[in-house]
This record gives sequence, C-alpha cells and structure tokens, in this order.
Amino acid sequence: GESVGLHLPTLSVQEGDNSIINCAYSNSASDYFIWYKQESGKGPQFIIDIRSNMDKRQGQRVTVLLNKTVKHLSLQIAATQPGDSAVYFCAENWAIKAAGNKLTFGGGTRVLVKP
Amino acid sequence: DGGITQSPKYLFRKEGQNVTLSCEQNLNHDAMYWYRQDPGQGLRLIYYSQIVNDFQKGDIAEGYSVSREKKESFPLTVTSAQKNPTAFYLCASSGSFDTQYFGPGTRLTVL
Repeated sequence: GESVGLHLPTLSVQEGDNSIINCAYSNSASDYFIWYKQESGKGPQFIIDIRSNMDKRQGQRVTVLLNKTVKHLSLQIAATQPGDSAVYFCAENWAIKAAGNKLTFGGGTRVLVKP
Repeated sequence: DGGITQSPKYLFRKEGQNVTLSCEQNLNHDAMYWYRQDPGQGLRLIYYSQIVNDFQKGDIAEGYSVSREKKESFPLTVTSAQKNPTAFYLCASSGSFDTQYFGPGTRLTVL
C-alpha cells in the first residue's frame, strides 16, 4: 500500500552542526508534505510544509527539500541546538474529494543533540 | 488562548470499561481527527470528521466510536471491544485541505 517512511531511526548530532533527516514517500498523488517535531509526551508540532509544485522551502533554521523524481523529501536543521532534540515525522497529505484531507505519517526519526 | 485542548492528560481504564477522551478546538476548523500512537511508532488514523454530524472511519476504527455534534468538539470513546487500548491518543484539527494542528494528547493505560 501507499506509505511514507524514514531512512534513519536515530540521528546523533553535535550541537552547532547541521542535521539532515530523510523521508521517502510512495504515493505519487500526494500534493502536500509536512514535517512535524514531537517532544516526549507532547503532541506533534508543525515545523514546515511544502507543496508538490515546489522543490525547496525555507523557514527559520529549517529547510525542506522535495525531489518528486525519486519521491524523497528531507528536512535540514541549521546549527542544531539542544532544544531540537525530539522525534521528527514527515507526513504526506493528499486530498480526498468530498472527504477532506488525510495525513499518512512515517515512522519518525529521533534526533539527539550532543553538547 | 487559542488552540486544541485534550482532557484528561492521563487516563486509566479497567478492562471491560468504556472511556471517553475529550477534544475541543477554538480555531474554527471544520475538520477534526483522532490518531493513536504506540511507543516508538508513528501516528495511525482512527476517525476523522470533515463537518458537524458527519465522520468517517480511519485505518484502525475497530473498537472506537466518535460523535461530532458541535464544530468545536470531537470526543472519542474507547470501547471494551478495543483489545489493546493502551496508547497515546492525539486529536488534531484543520481548515479544509490544510495543515493539521495537534493537541497535547491523552495517555490511556489499561489496568
């Protein structure tokens, strides 16, 4: 079936370095992708999104890249800080006509920032 | 203070009991969703509702029920038919065809 998955379950990063989290998707009909950050015991927090008509979008210290040819997206975090330690999920969003949108989540990548 | 609230934060249930988890939003969002998250895993969709008085089953609806009598509220009942209900439950809402925003979650434990 259609799925969204992540390549790396755990990523250890030195404080100050850049982090790259990868995600593969298989639903070619997906038109919208979202990255969420989830801290322990809390709900997912929206980080950044990108639509399928774009290949790059930048936010504050974060950049999302979308490669539709290989169905891959990545989240880059610049100058990683201790507060960035969390689990990061990618999700694909595809509209269901007459039934609204629906998210399919990947399994998540845990980012550990070392001081 | 706008957003999505879930209550309670922690809930304990005896086997055979039904329990209801609350989800309220004041974002004026049309759509609301319930997800289940098991340790170390992603989110799985239980039920979703695009409009008041209408809702659809998600991927793992068995053993759960919902209602959508008000735009602001989307309670989830975990019934005794749900054989493995211990999990972290997350509610979300969105404007039509838009990003989903999540509540803080309810952790349900079966004793």
